[in-house]
Amino acid sequence: NAGVTQTPKFQVLKTGQSMTLQCAQDMNHEYMSWYRQDPGMGLRLIHYSVGAGITDQGEVPNGYNVSRSTTEDFPLRLLSAAPSQTSVYFCASSLSMTGFGELFFGEGSRLTVL
Amino acid sequence: EDQVTQSPEALRLQEGESSSLNCSYTVSGLRGLFWYRQDPGKGPEFLFTLYSAGEEKEKERLKATLTKKESFLHITAPKPEDSATYLCAVPSPGANSKLTFGKGITLSVRP
Repeated sequence: NAGVTQTPKFQVLKTGQSMTLQCAQDMNHEYMSWYRQDPGMGLRLIHYSVGAGITDQGEVPNGYNVSRSTTEDFPLRLLSAAPSQTSVYFCASSLSMTGFGELFFGEGSRLTVL
Repeated sequence: EDQVTQSPEALRLQEGESSSLNCSYTVSGLRGLFWYRQDPGKGPEFLFTLYSAGEEKEKERLKATLTKKESFLHITAPKPEDSATYLCAVPSPGANSKLTFGKGITLSVRP
């Protein structure tokens, strides 16, 4: 199993550009989530999904969009990038909603917005 | 008010020097407390889940304990490879399926 795979690992955007961070897991996990990690702020939840077709907002959802059309994939879209979205983004999954605290994380995507 | 507070922010130990990392929380009706380890440039790796006061979990040189207000991650005779950032997390109050993470404790173990 590859686990949780994120692409790209690094990306530089200009303000106003849009892009999609990809996340795929091959563990048949129901629960998937996106976090951002900033110095001094810790990990903060952006969006999460408890199954295909179901998504919900986390702590910092503004400026981001998600969809879950399959169990395996959970892409994160930045609609119009802003410098405040410069961060490291992590996708994480768990077997089910009841096990949402025991997460498998990807290796992260480092995004810089100029 | 932060639901999860970790202390100290950073800790430097000599190899073999045992110590403890603290995670205090303010949520009531705790539905689990989770410890993770994060190496530089990597995603966090799950370590332990604790559910009730008095519960303990062990893995190699690490032992996690839980009281009604805080959790400790005890590191016994640490080695340089234990150097990492240790994160704790609790379910967000009033919300299903959401975690609130502490800001982490960066541990450095010198040979």
